[in-house]
Amino acid sequence: NAGVTQTPKFQVLKTGQSMTLQCAQDMNHEYMSWYRQDPGMGLRLIHYSVGAGITDQGEVPNGYNVSRSTTEDFPLRLLSAAPSQTSVYFCASSLSGQGLSGANVLTFGAGSRLTVL
Amino acid sequence: RKEVEQDPGPFNVPEGATVAFNCTYSNSASQSFFWYRQDCRKEPKLLMSVYSSGNEDGRFTAQLNRASQYISLLIRDSKLSDSATYLCVVNPFNYGQNFVFGPGTRLSVLP
Repeated sequence: NAGVTQTPKFQVLKTGQSMTLQCAQDMNHEYMSWYRQDPGMGLRLIHYSVGAGITDQGEVPNGYNVSRSTTEDFPLRLLSAAPSQTSVYFCASSLSGQGLSGANVLTFGAGSRLTVL
Repeated sequence: RKEVEQDPGPFNVPEGATVAFNCTYSNSASQSFFWYRQDCRKEPKLLMSVYSSGNEDGRFTAQLNRASQYISLLIRDSKLSDSATYLCVVNPFNYGQNFVFGPGTRLSVLP
Protein backbone atom coordinates (compact mmCIF):
# COMPACT_ATOMS: atom_id res chain seq x y z
CA ASN A 1 0.00 0.00 0.00
CA ALA A 2 1.95 3.01 -1.30
CA GLY A 3 -0.54 5.71 -0.19
CA VAL A 4 -0.22 8.88 -2.28
CA THR A 5 2.61 8.94 -4.82
CA GLN A 6 3.76 12.16 -6.48
CA THR A 7 6.22 12.56 -9.33
CA PRO A 8 8.57 14.20 -10.00
CA LYS A 9 10.05 15.19 -6.63
CA PHE A 10 12.01 18.05 -8.16
CA GLN A 11 11.62 19.98 -11.40
CA VAL A 12 13.17 23.10 -12.90
CA LEU A 13 11.31 24.80 -15.72
CA LYS A 14 11.87 27.85 -17.86
CA THR A 15 9.19 30.51 -18.11
CA GLY A 16 6.56 29.47 -20.65
CA GLN A 17 7.22 25.74 -20.51
CA SER A 18 4.44 23.34 -19.63
CA MET A 19 4.55 20.23 -17.51
CA THR A 20 2.42 17.78 -15.59
CA LEU A 21 2.77 16.80 -11.95
CA GLN A 22 1.54 13.27 -11.43
CA CYS A 23 -0.44 12.07 -8.42
CA ALA A 24 -1.69 8.55 -7.78
CA GLN A 25 -3.31 6.94 -4.75
CA ASP A 26 -4.05 3.28 -4.11
CA MET A 27 -6.45 3.67 -1.20
CA ASN A 28 -9.65 3.94 -3.28
CA HIS A 29 -10.16 7.49 -1.99
CA GLU A 30 -12.97 9.51 -3.53
CA TYR A 31 -11.53 12.92 -2.79
CA MET A 32 -8.24 14.19 -4.24
CA SER A 33 -6.74 17.64 -4.20
CA TRP A 34 -3.71 19.72 -5.09
CA TYR A 35 -2.17 22.33 -2.79
CA ARG A 36 0.74 24.68 -3.12
CA GLN A 37 2.81 25.72 -0.13
CA ASP A 38 4.69 28.99 -0.05
CA PRO A 39 6.62 30.46 2.91
CA GLY A 40 4.33 32.23 5.37
CA MET A 41 1.21 31.46 3.32
CA GLY A 42 0.11 28.05 4.49
CA LEU A 43 -1.17 25.47 2.06
CA ARG A 44 -3.53 26.84 -0.56
CA LEU A 45 -5.97 24.71 -2.51
CA ILE A 46 -5.50 24.76 -6.29
CA HIS A 47 -8.03 22.21 -7.58
CA TYR A 48 -9.92 19.29 -6.13
CA SER A 49 -12.01 16.32 -7.21
CA VAL A 50 -14.74 14.43 -5.39
CA GLY A 51 -14.69 11.49 -7.79
CA ALA A 52 -13.77 10.32 -11.26
CA GLY A 53 -14.93 12.79 -13.88
CA ILE A 54 -15.61 15.57 -11.35
CA THR A 55 -13.23 18.45 -10.68
CA ASP A 56 -13.56 21.93 -9.29
CA GLN A 57 -11.45 24.99 -8.60
CA GLY A 58 -9.95 25.88 -5.27
CA GLU A 59 -8.53 29.13 -3.99
CA VAL A 60 -5.71 29.60 -6.53
CA PRO A 61 -6.61 27.78 -9.78
CA ASN A 62 -5.24 30.21 -12.38
CA GLY A 63 -2.51 28.73 -14.55
CA TYR A 64 -3.34 25.14 -13.63
CA ASN A 65 -5.55 22.43 -15.12
CA VAL A 66 -6.62 19.08 -13.73
CA SER A 67 -8.53 16.02 -14.84
CA ARG A 68 -9.77 12.90 -13.04
CA SER A 69 -10.31 10.10 -15.54
CA THR A 70 -9.80 7.36 -12.94
CA THR A 71 -10.27 7.13 -9.17
CA GLU A 72 -6.54 6.59 -8.71
CA ASP A 73 -4.98 9.43 -10.71
CA PHE A 74 -5.21 13.20 -10.46
CA PRO A 75 -2.56 14.98 -12.56
CA LEU A 76 -1.91 18.73 -12.30
CA ARG A 77 -0.92 20.53 -15.47
CA LEU A 78 0.96 23.82 -15.61
CA LEU A 79 -0.01 25.36 -18.91
CA SER A 80 2.67 28.05 -19.29
CA ALA A 81 4.96 28.18 -16.28
CA ALA A 82 5.64 31.51 -14.58
CA PRO A 83 8.14 32.37 -11.81
CA SER A 84 5.15 32.94 -9.48
CA GLN A 85 4.45 29.21 -9.72
CA THR A 86 7.73 28.39 -8.01
CA SER A 87 6.50 26.47 -4.99
CA VAL A 88 6.16 23.12 -3.29
CA TYR A 89 3.14 21.21 -4.54
CA PHE A 90 1.32 18.60 -2.50
CA CYS A 91 -1.29 16.16 -3.65
CA ALA A 92 -3.66 14.90 -0.96
CA SER A 93 -6.54 12.47 -0.80
CA SER A 94 -9.21 11.41 1.64
CA LEU A 95 -11.72 8.60 1.74
CA SER A 96 -14.59 11.02 1.41
CA GLY A 97 -15.10 14.75 1.13
CA GLN A 98 -17.38 14.87 4.14
CA GLY A 99 -18.15 13.47 7.54
CA LEU A 100 -16.86 13.71 11.06
CA SER A 101 -15.96 10.05 11.20
CA GLY A 102 -12.42 10.59 10.03
CA ALA A 103 -13.30 10.03 6.39
CA ASN A 104 -12.16 13.54 5.58
CA VAL A 105 -8.66 13.16 7.03
CA LEU A 106 -6.14 14.07 4.36
CA THR A 107 -3.23 11.84 3.35
CA PHE A 108 -0.50 13.78 1.56
CA GLY A 109 2.06 12.81 -1.01
CA ALA A 110 5.73 13.60 -0.39
CA GLY A 111 5.59 16.80 -2.42
CA SER A 112 7.01 18.13 -5.68
CA ARG A 113 9.43 21.07 -5.58
CA LEU A 114 9.07 23.21 -8.68
CA THR A 115 11.34 26.07 -9.66
CA VAL A 116 10.46 28.28 -12.61
CA LEU A 117 13.29 30.41 -13.95
CA ARG B 1 -8.29 39.02 8.19
CA LYS B 2 -6.94 35.59 7.26
CA GLU B 3 -9.36 32.70 7.61
CA VAL B 4 -7.07 30.78 9.91
CA GLU B 5 -4.39 32.45 12.00
CA GLN B 6 -1.77 30.93 14.24
CA ASP B 7 0.90 32.07 16.67
CA PRO B 8 3.74 33.28 14.44
CA GLY B 9 6.50 31.46 16.30
CA PRO B 10 9.07 30.08 16.26
CA PHE B 11 8.86 28.52 19.69
CA ASN B 12 12.17 27.38 21.17
CA VAL B 13 11.67 25.33 24.31
CA PRO B 14 13.83 22.98 26.41
CA GLU B 15 13.15 19.27 26.57
CA GLY B 16 10.47 18.48 29.11
CA ALA B 17 8.73 21.83 28.77
CA THR B 18 5.02 22.32 28.20
CA VAL B 19 4.14 24.40 25.16
CA ALA B 20 0.80 25.66 23.87
CA PHE B 21 -0.14 26.73 20.36
CA ASN B 22 -3.11 28.92 19.55
CA CYS B 23 -5.21 29.13 16.43
CA THR B 24 -8.18 31.33 15.54
CA TYR B 25 -10.57 30.96 12.63
CA SER B 26 -12.91 33.48 11.07
CA ASN B 27 -15.73 31.34 9.68
CA SER B 28 -18.20 30.68 12.47
CA ALA B 29 -19.85 27.94 10.36
CA SER B 30 -16.70 25.80 10.51
CA GLN B 31 -17.41 22.18 11.35
CA SER B 32 -14.21 20.16 11.53
CA PHE B 33 -10.88 21.03 13.06
CA PHE B 34 -7.49 19.36 12.94
CA TRP B 35 -3.88 19.71 13.93
CA TYR B 36 -1.34 18.49 11.39
CA ARG B 37 2.38 18.16 11.92
CA GLN B 38 4.91 18.93 9.20
CA ASP B 39 8.56 18.04 9.52
CA CYS B 40 11.13 20.07 7.60
CA ARG B 41 10.83 19.45 3.85
CA LYS B 42 8.24 16.72 4.40
CA GLU B 43 4.52 16.42 3.84
CA PRO B 44 1.94 17.30 6.52
CA LYS B 45 0.62 14.42 8.58
CA LEU B 46 -2.42 14.31 10.82
CA LEU B 47 -1.55 14.79 14.47
CA MET B 48 -5.08 14.79 15.82
CA SER B 49 -8.62 15.79 15.09
CA VAL B 50 -10.18 18.32 17.48
CA TYR B 51 -13.56 17.51 18.95
CA SER B 52 -16.01 19.86 20.65
CA SER B 53 -15.45 18.27 24.04
CA GLY B 54 -11.68 18.48 23.73
CA ASN B 55 -9.50 15.44 23.33
CA GLU B 56 -6.22 14.04 24.46
CA ASP B 57 -3.72 11.70 22.87
CA GLY B 58 -0.83 10.90 25.16
CA ARG B 59 1.14 14.09 25.71
CA PHE B 60 -1.04 16.07 23.30
CA THR B 61 -4.27 17.84 24.24
CA ALA B 62 -6.50 19.72 21.82
CA GLN B 63 -9.24 22.13 22.83
CA LEU B 64 -11.95 23.85 20.82
CA ASN B 65 -13.83 26.97 21.86
CA ARG B 66 -16.56 27.60 19.29
CA ALA B 67 -17.80 30.79 20.95
CA SER B 68 -14.37 32.39 20.64
CA GLN B 69 -13.53 30.57 17.39
CA TYR B 70 -10.33 29.36 18.93
CA ILE B 71 -8.40 26.08 18.87
CA SER B 72 -5.43 25.16 21.00
CA LEU B 73 -2.83 22.42 21.11
CA LEU B 74 -0.94 21.64 24.31
CA ILE B 75 2.19 19.51 24.27
CA ARG B 76 3.41 18.27 27.64
CA ASP B 77 6.88 16.93 28.41
CA SER B 78 8.30 18.04 25.05
CA LYS B 79 10.66 15.67 23.27
CA LEU B 80 13.35 16.50 20.72
CA SER B 81 11.25 14.57 18.21
CA ASP B 82 8.39 17.04 18.65
CA SER B 83 10.39 19.63 16.71
CA ALA B 84 8.28 20.41 13.65
CA THR B 85 5.79 22.91 12.27
CA TYR B 86 2.25 22.53 13.59
CA LEU B 87 -0.57 23.38 11.19
CA CYS B 88 -4.05 24.31 12.31
CA VAL B 89 -6.64 23.17 9.77
CA VAL B 90 -10.30 24.12 9.57
CA ASN B 91 -13.02 22.60 7.42
CA PRO B 92 -15.79 25.20 7.17
CA PHE B 93 -18.52 23.07 5.71
CA ASN B 94 -17.56 19.58 6.80
CA TYR B 95 -16.63 18.87 3.21
CA GLY B 96 -13.05 17.93 2.43
CA GLN B 97 -12.69 20.25 -0.49
CA ASN B 98 -12.75 23.29 1.75
CA PHE B 99 -9.92 22.64 4.12
CA VAL B 100 -8.26 25.89 5.13
CA PHE B 101 -4.73 25.70 6.49
CA GLY B 102 -3.11 28.13 8.87
CA PRO B 103 0.46 29.26 8.12
CA GLY B 104 1.85 27.01 10.85
CA THR B 105 3.85 27.51 14.03
CA ARG B 106 7.38 26.14 14.16
CA LEU B 107 8.54 24.39 17.31
CA SER B 108 12.15 23.63 18.18
CA VAL B 109 12.72 21.50 21.26
CA LEU B 110 16.26 22.02 22.52
CA PRO B 111 18.38 19.53 24.48
